[in-house]
Amino acid sequence: DTGVSQNPRHKITKRGQNVTFRCDPISEHNRLYWYRQTLGQGPEFLTYFQNEAQLEKSRLLSDRFSAERPKGSFSTLEIQRTEQGDSAMYLCASSPPFGGYTFGSGTRLTVV
Amino acid sequence: QKEVEQDPGPLSVPEGAIVSLNCTYSNSAFQYFMWYRQYSRKGPELLMYTYSSGNKEDGRFTAQVDKSSKYISLFIRDSQPSDSATYLCAMSAGGGADGLTFGKGTHLIIQP
Repeated sequence: DTGVSQNPRHKITKRGQNVTFRCDPISEHNRLYWYRQTLGQGPEFLTYFQNEAQLEKSRLLSDRFSAERPKGSFSTLEIQRTEQGDSAMYLCASSPPFGGYTFGSGTRLTVV
Repeated sequence: QKEVEQDPGPLSVPEGAIVSLNCTYSNSAFQYFMWYRQYSRKGPELLMYTYSSGNKEDGRFTAQVDKSSKYISLFIRDSQPSDSATYLCAMSAGGGADGLTFGKGTHLIIQP
């Protein structure tokens, strides 16, 4: 297993379009997280899955954002009606029940 | 006051020096403490993971946690130019289920 994989690496979209990102976690990890990071800031927590159940959602996750993890494997994060303020790096991480997170390389979203 | 405070730097030191990076926090519920290294346009990479107070050493890296002072540190010995990166502290109360709270990151430059 080569770690957490995220696709695409970079996405440029026009304001108002919908975008979807994919994350493939480390296969043995049952926990999966999405974070958002803007320039000069640390990552901010968006949501958390344990297996296929979405157990935590940050207030940052507006109703335009939705995340899924069907069958407890890969996860998708969809942003509807994108806004320029959504431009950021979207990071996925996975972890075992106790231990540090392993992050992917992220998807950089640019909304023009 | 933010939950986690970290001096953004930049911090510039000569090669071979001992580097000290620090974070303070306000939430006394935090029990799990991590340090991540992030290179430009990459995801964060876990360096150290500690639980509660005390010291932990791994190669050239030493992490210290002082819960009574709400203060954590990362020391890098024999610093190398390849250590130049942004260092992020992160912490959680519940071992991950509640998401990590990150500092802004300290930009470290090791001068050859």
